[in-house]
Amino acid sequence: ETGVTQSPTHLIKTRGQQVTLRCSSQSGHNTVSWYQQALGQGPQFIFQYYREEENGRGNFPPRFSGLQFPNYSSELNVNALELDDSALYLCASSFETYEQYFGPGTRLTVT
Amino acid sequence: GQNIDQPTEMTATEGAIVQINCTYQTSGFNGLFWYQQHAGEAPTFLSYNVLDGLEEKGRFSSFLSRSKGYSYLLLKELQMKDSASYLCAVRDLNDYKLSFGAGTTVTVRA
Repeated sequence: ETGVTQSPTHLIKTRGQQVTLRCSSQSGHNTVSWYQQALGQGPQFIFQYYREEENGRGNFPPRFSGLQFPNYSSELNVNALELDDSALYLCASSFETYEQYFGPGTRLTVT
Repeated sequence: GQNIDQPTEMTATEGAIVQINCTYQTSGFNGLFWYQQHAGEAPTFLSYNVLDGLEEKGRFSSFLSRSKGYSYLLLKELQMKDSASYLCAVRDLNDYKLSFGAGTTVTVRA
């Protein structure tokens, strides 16, 4: 186990709703990255937070937003959910730019 | 951006060796990672290469050639528990994000 935790484990939402996913980073880590993994695909980078500031963003629309808190935990918010947002959402923590350790993920289903 | 290619599937026999290739095209390179992902679970870190050459870690080895944009992961003495997806990921020079390939599903047969 990596020490990275995510909640909830599974979530079912309706199209158009909003969702907040949470991540607690491993002790000593100050950087959190979020990824979306569709079935049968590799993870796609959403954004990264370093010391509470966004430090890079992938090709995702503005309805995907995030926060990092002083204790380095993080939230991913998705507004106006679409069916294609159904995926496994992975959080990864690291110290600075060293190797990233992934949490167990949140499986989001949008109906 | 990054373009990362790896085979979709590979099958091998218990006790054998399998080599998973990964080729990449990148606008800025700052290291290549290999992760293992069992079905329904999170990726777990296997190896990291930033300089050319071979890194060995027990039954797993990873090789990098930056001039060729090429890496491979070598799995020796295969065990049934090695059946999983293996993800190649390249770290970007500018913002340190990881760009992943689609993964190679390895099936180990008895």
